[in-house]
Amino acid sequence: SQQGEEDPQALSIQEGENATMNCSYKTSINNLQWYRQNSGRGLVHLILIRSNEREKHSGRLRVTLDTSKKSSSLLITASRAADTASYFCATPEVDNSNYQLIWGAGTKLIIKP
Amino acid sequence: GAGVSQSPSNKVTEKGKDVELRCDPISGHTALYWYRQSLGQGLEFLIYFQGNSAPDKSGLPSDRFSAERTGGSVSTLTIQRTQQEDSAVYLCASSLGRGQGLLNTEAFFGQGTRLTVV
Repeated sequence: SQQGEEDPQALSIQEGENATMNCSYKTSINNLQWYRQNSGRGLVHLILIRSNEREKHSGRLRVTLDTSKKSSSLLITASRAADTASYFCATPEVDNSNYQLIWGAGTKLIIKP
Repeated sequence: GAGVSQSPSNKVTEKGKDVELRCDPISGHTALYWYRQSLGQGLEFLIYFQGNSAPDKSGLPSDRFSAERTGGSVSTLTIQRTQQEDSAVYLCASSLGRGQGLLNTEAFFGQGTRLTVV
């Protein structure tokens, strides 16, 4: 099942520019995670932001979280061709003490050299 | 192992044949997930295991799909009488699982099995 919705669905920018992707979710969360997927294969975890955090940085990545708006953004600064990938957000959902990650539909990012 | 391992990485099968996909999760990860992803699409949840039991099978698209997990480790996803619409990448992921806290729900993915039904 999917809770998050990313926008835009696709984004194409020039190398060196900044790329911003957004994720919205519906229920209360404990944390929100961003993942990257290259070439339709396995996803790789990028960053986790807790519900009591507003901003987090990791290298060229900056994630913000606005729990009042139930939204998060992923900013990639000084983009490179290697950043071309699909980016997904995910939130853990508890159901009868079992945890599942609920995924958004993803944003396809293309960096033009 | 060091990461989640899936086999085969690619599988081409004839319509109507059965296929079995395998997933080896990270040692110690009690939660295991199967997803399906069609070209250019998002993740479609299939089934979730906590240990050997499957609390959520709601994503299995039809009774041709089944999955099992033995010894709290390896899982197999079986598709019987494959159809062309079953063609997709099948992704397996594992995480630490129940009791480890929501901050430890990071999912580790295998590289997937690309299934093509001809």
